[in-house]
Order: sequence, then structure tokens, then C-alpha cells
Amino acid sequence: KQEVTQIPAALSVPEGENLVLNCSFTDSAIYNLQWFRQDPGKGLTSLLLIQSSQREQTSGRLNASLDKSSGRSTLYIAASQPGDSATYLCAVYNNNDMRFGAGTRLTVKP
Amino acid sequence: DAGITQSPRHKVTETGTPVTLRCHQTENHRYMYWYRQDPGHGLRLIHYSYGVKDTDKGEVSDGYSVSRSKTEDFLLTLESATSSQTSVYFCAISDFTGGDGYTFGSGTRLTVV
Repeated sequence: KQEVTQIPAALSVPEGENLVLNCSFTDSAIYNLQWFRQDPGKGLTSLLLIQSSQREQTSGRLNASLDKSSGRSTLYIAASQPGDSATYLCAVYNNNDMRFGAGTRLTVKP
Repeated sequence: DAGITQSPRHKVTETGTPVTLRCHQTENHRYMYWYRQDPGHGLRLIHYSYGVKDTDKGEVSDGYSVSRSKTEDFLLTLESATSSQTSVYFCAISDFTGGDGYTFGSGTRLTVV
């Protein structure tokens, strides 16, 4: 059974810092990996999707990497802003089964 | 939100009553999913559908049933609601077996009293 772990569970940083969120998974046989953002009381917004054949994806200040063989992904956020405060979830997909991590709750202080 | 809506957004119901949640999409995606999100458990798959009238169970399907009579609608029914089914329910859609990623609805907050 695929297990997805996200570390740290919570992170607080001052505005302007660069930061890294970590995601690890136990079964490397994945089809893709997706990073989501969730604001309190809201749904999940897709940030980046990395196919199993890809090593990284970038969108604006966000960069996600994937090392399938070691079962790891990182989400890099550059020049963090208070508006980046949210919970970030990673999810791995294979065979109609998407497994989610518990998320990292990020707070960016002005 | 990318053509996926959930209704109702909030619902309070009594133990033992039936409840139906609706997910509606305008993307003509083949795959639709129902998840529940609970503190300490994260998101867990309840049921999914891979086409009209084609559904299958997920990780936490006990106490839930689903139906998909049209491509655009996926219904989740709690036959007899229990307090343990108090949760936030999310619907998601995907096109090619999830290969293009999932898109989520805004969620339904269900409270069973």
C-alpha cells in the first residue's frame, strides 16, 4: 500500500525567504505526482503536475522536482509572500488510486 | 473552478437520515472521484467512476453508495448517516485515467448530529 509522508507538518518563515517542502512515498511505481494548495475551508488547487518520466516542473516562483527511484519530491517556493500561506499537499497517482500526504501548513509572516 | 461544482456546500443532518451529495462537471471528463477529508487522516477515496454506470469502491466505501447515470453527474449517497460520517467531502475529476492530474471541487461540509 502506497504511503505518502510530508515533512515538516508545519513551517513558519518570514516574508522573502526561499523554502523547500518535502514529500516522500514508499512505492516508486507511480504514474505522476501532483502538488496542491489548500486554503482554510476551501478546495484543493492544483499547482504542479509531474509525470513519472519528468524530473521537474516550474510555474512562476514554484519549482517541483521528482526523484522516482528514491521516492521523493520537493516543492521549492522562491521569495515567499504572505499570500503563500496555506496547506500544501502532495499526491501520487497509479492505477486509479491517488494517495495524499497529510500536508505541510505554511505560514509566511509579513 | 474548472467546471466542477458540488452541492450543497454545507449540510447538517440527523443520524439515521439518508443524504445525497451531488458533483456536477462541465468538462466531459471520464473519471470522477469522491473523497473525504478528516483531521489526522487526510484525504481518503470513497468511490470512483470510470464512466456512465461504471463505479468502483475506494479505501473507505462502507456506508456509502454512488451513482453515475450521466457523464456530468456523480452522486454520493449516505444511506443512513452516522456521526462518523461528519466530514468534508470533495469531488474530483480527471480525463485520461488521472494522467492529466485531478481537478477538485470546492467541497461539501457535512455535519451529522
